[in-house]
Amino acid sequence: SQQGEEDPQALSIQEGENATMNCSYKTSINNLQWYRQNSGRGLVHLILIRSNEREKHSGRLRVTLDTSKKSSSLLITASRAADTASYFCATRGPNDYKLSFGAGTTVTVRA
Amino acid sequence: DGGITQSPKYLFRKEGQNVTLSCEQNLNHDAMYWYRQDPGQGLRLIYYSQIVNDFQKGDIAEGYSVSREKKESFPLTVTSAQKNPTAFYLCASSMDHRGPQHFGDGTRLSIL
Repeated sequence: SQQGEEDPQALSIQEGENATMNCSYKTSINNLQWYRQNSGRGLVHLILIRSNEREKHSGRLRVTLDTSKKSSSLLITASRAADTASYFCATRGPNDYKLSFGAGTTVTVRA
Repeated sequence: DGGITQSPKYLFRKEGQNVTLSCEQNLNHDAMYWYRQDPGQGLRLIYYSQIVNDFQKGDIAEGYSVSREKKESFPLTVTSAQKNPTAFYLCASSMDHRGPQHFGDGTRLSIL
């Protein structure tokens, strides 16, 4: 079952601008993960944030988690053409052995 | 270099035919997964395996079968019972079910 829902579905920005995308989910989670997928390729893991964490950083990426609102956001700062990809959030429930993926946000960075 | 290898990259199936997609990992991961991705959609779980000789159905297992005879290998068979097999198939592995998953580069299956 698909739990996470990303918003917006698509985003087009100029190189150097920031990109923000959101993920909402329905049931309680153990952790939430963000992945990137370049066209025709597999997914690449970006960040994992646990349910007791509120914010994590990795390079130009910043992820926040608000468990009271059942939502997460991914911010990409100072975007580059190479950031053009689809971004997916995935949630794992407390008793789940699997991840549930959203439909993704397609980000296009214009040079 | 450690990673996951999926083969072939492109596969064509005739009506009534079973086809097998290969997935091999050298990351020494216990858990492995098969997902299906349709255009503009997220990933849907077909089967997963937490350990050798054990696997469980995911959300859309009908028409598919798997085996896990070796830790490194988790092949997926798309049987003739799967009426709409055209999709992008992704294999993944993780050290355990809690951690991040590592993905292969996928196999695109089409019907002739």
